[in-house]
Amino acid sequence: EVQLLESGGGLVQPGGSLRLSCAASGFTFRHFAMNWVRQAPGMGLEWVSGFSGSGGSTFYADSVKGRFTISRDNSKNTLYLQMNSLRAEDTAVYYCAKDGGPPNQEYWYFDLWGRGTLVTVSS
Amino acid sequence: QSVLTQPPSVSAAPGQKVTISCSGSSSNIGNYYVSWYQKFPGTAPKLLIYDNNKRPSGIPDRFSGSKSGTSATLDITGLQTGDEADYYCGTWDTSLSAGVFGGGTKLTVL
Repeated sequence: EVQLLESGGGLVQPGGSLRLSCAASGFTFRHFAMNWVRQAPGMGLEWVSGFSGSGGSTFYADSVKGRFTISRDNSKNTLYLQMNSLRAEDTAVYYCAKDGGPPNQEYWYFDLWGRGTLVTVSS
Repeated sequence: QSVLTQPPSVSAAPGQKVTISCSGSSSNIGNYYVSWYQKFPGTAPKLLIYDNNKRPSGIPDRFSGSKSGTSATLDITGLQTGDEADYYCGTWDTSLSAGVFGGGTKLTVL
């Protein structure tokens, strides 16, 4: 079955760190760009970060640049998001999303989503 | 403040047609494909439209998309109560080198 499964969310204090994981199955993970998208309570979708399927390029929203790091382990079919210096405004459901373009190309639309994992930043 | 601008809400009666707009700039919509997503509370977003006007398999043809210049629209015809959801446009911004979404539009089927 083609699916994405996020894990690693939870409650963390401001200034703390958390690492999210996204396990992929049912498709050739290494060929596709992968992304993190979040939704804060009562707010809209916000693209957070992307990792290309070709060339290893990474991209970040200005709101997380310098604090978050996206990575992937193609041998484990897993995408990660290391989140440091967390702030209250980072509280959100974090979704893992697969790029919908052809293999080894980035089209920056998302055709497969995980169920999300909730990150709460609070003291 | 979202990079892409959508109306906060739209409404129409069952069976009617609704149009949701998405306004951007030359660095995003004007220079890249637009996608649209449907989202129900507590569930993951679902891709409705990609490459401005293409539908993934399984998406009914009641949903259609178009783009002109720096704006895009999502049309939904034959509205059903089950279409009540939030709708988001998205694209890539070449100046930001980042993905961007609209603020979302809540559709109410009266």
